[in-house]
Amino acid sequence: QFVLTQPPSVSAAPGQKVTISCSGGSSNIEENYVSWYQQLPGTAPKLLIYDNDKRPSGIPDRFSASKSATSATLGIAGLQTGDDADYFCATWFDGLGIGVFGGGTKLTVL
Amino acid sequence: DVQLVQSGGGLARPGGSLRLSCAASGFMFRNNWMFWVRQAPGKGLEWVATIGPHGTFTNHGDSVRGRFTVSRDNAKNTLYLQMNSLRVEDTAVYYCGKDLSHFAMDFWGQGSPVTVSS
Repeated sequence: QFVLTQPPSVSAAPGQKVTISCSGGSSNIEENYVSWYQQLPGTAPKLLIYDNDKRPSGIPDRFSASKSATSATLGIAGLQTGDDADYFCATWFDGLGIGVFGGGTKLTVL
Repeated sequence: DVQLVQSGGGLARPGGSLRLSCAASGFMFRNNWMFWVRQAPGKGLEWVATIGPHGTFTNHGDSVRGRFTVSRDNAKNTLYLQMNSLRVEDTAVYYCGKDLSHFAMDFWGQGSPVTVSS
């Protein structure tokens, strides 16, 4: 019913920039706030972006994000091998009081 | 420092029950929305439950509604997830999370593995 769609995988070389999309499809996310998480194997997710485009303290400005009426995008510049991880978008539907995660994108830094 | 320390995971039989706890410190627990999120083996993240600062608002995901109950004790700075009528498909690592803003969790517990198997 409420779905956020991400590409299963993306890849790029060290030093390059990559973008990961998060589409709301038929779910209107125009009024929603989107957040982004990084998850390394065997660890809890780490918050990278909140309220569409804000970075928590300690997150480098290599990580950026934007949002349109129907989708959100995470950008990672100056790729490092340590960025090799899974990335999830998420949003909260205020009126319904439900949270939704995207399916996740595996980033491979070649 | 903010800490969320989880306890209570483990093995349960189908139809059984478990209670997860998440002990919070380093922030004003009673002022924060809190969440439970789970991750099945090899799968993505799934929102499980939400509770408002005073416990008056709660909601649960469709897959657990009627079986799981989120609660909190602000006097003990502790979040709970009571899991009843467990199913094999509830097998996952369960995380508690502290809300920063609009379902953005800036601190997470270490995760509690739950295995439901006969």
